[in-house]
Amino acid sequence: QQQVKQSPQSLIVQKGGISIINCAYENTAFDYFPWYQQFPGKGPALLIAIRPDVSEKKEGRFTISFNKSAKQFSLHIMDSQPGDSATYFCAASRNYQLIWGAGTKLIIKP
Amino acid sequence: EAGVTQFPSHSVIEKGQTVTLRCDPISGHDNLYWYRRVMGKEIKFLLHFVKESKQDESGMPNNRFLAERTGGTYSTLKVQPAELEDSGVYFCASSQVFNYGYTFGSGTRLTVV
Repeated sequence: QQQVKQSPQSLIVQKGGISIINCAYENTAFDYFPWYQQFPGKGPALLIAIRPDVSEKKEGRFTISFNKSAKQFSLHIMDSQPGDSATYFCAASRNYQLIWGAGTKLIIKP
Repeated sequence: EAGVTQFPSHSVIEKGQTVTLRCDPISGHDNLYWYRRVMGKEIKFLLHFVKESKQDESGMPNNRFLAERTGGTYSTLKVQPAELEDSGVYFCASSQVFNYGYTFGSGTRLTVV
């Protein structure tokens, strides 16, 4: 049973545009919601993360928006650049075991 | 600081054979995790070591999988005998303390034919 649903599966955005990836979770016991970025041939790397007591967290061009009542969270990439082209995974966790979304392949067109 | 190292990076074996994957965590990291991604699906937790002890192995799919971490340093994940559905990318991660600050290795891509 998939506990974290991620969409879209793939996304193409023009350079300078806003990339938005969405995730929904089921288990209200989750207490940590990270986003990972993965380049081909590399492992996932932590990009940004949020706790459920915060509605938004911003780090540079990357923002997580968190809606606890709707059990949804999203990643926004502002001013998207070709170097942001990668696969993005959302995850949720309790007790340090990560439950992952299926991933979104993001392509930024120059 | 060297990162998490996994090898081999790729392995192609025949169904029924045995394969052993190795993970060298960042030096000093007591916590070591194994995850895998079966093609097109989400990454799934396999198990968690604290030093040489298995803290949580709830994600291990069946008894064909055996993970060890002798001496609390590197870890091995053995699949014996391998089945077609075991194909995927196996990731190892480590952290110094028991928190979410994992560092992942580049993974081992296992193909069972």
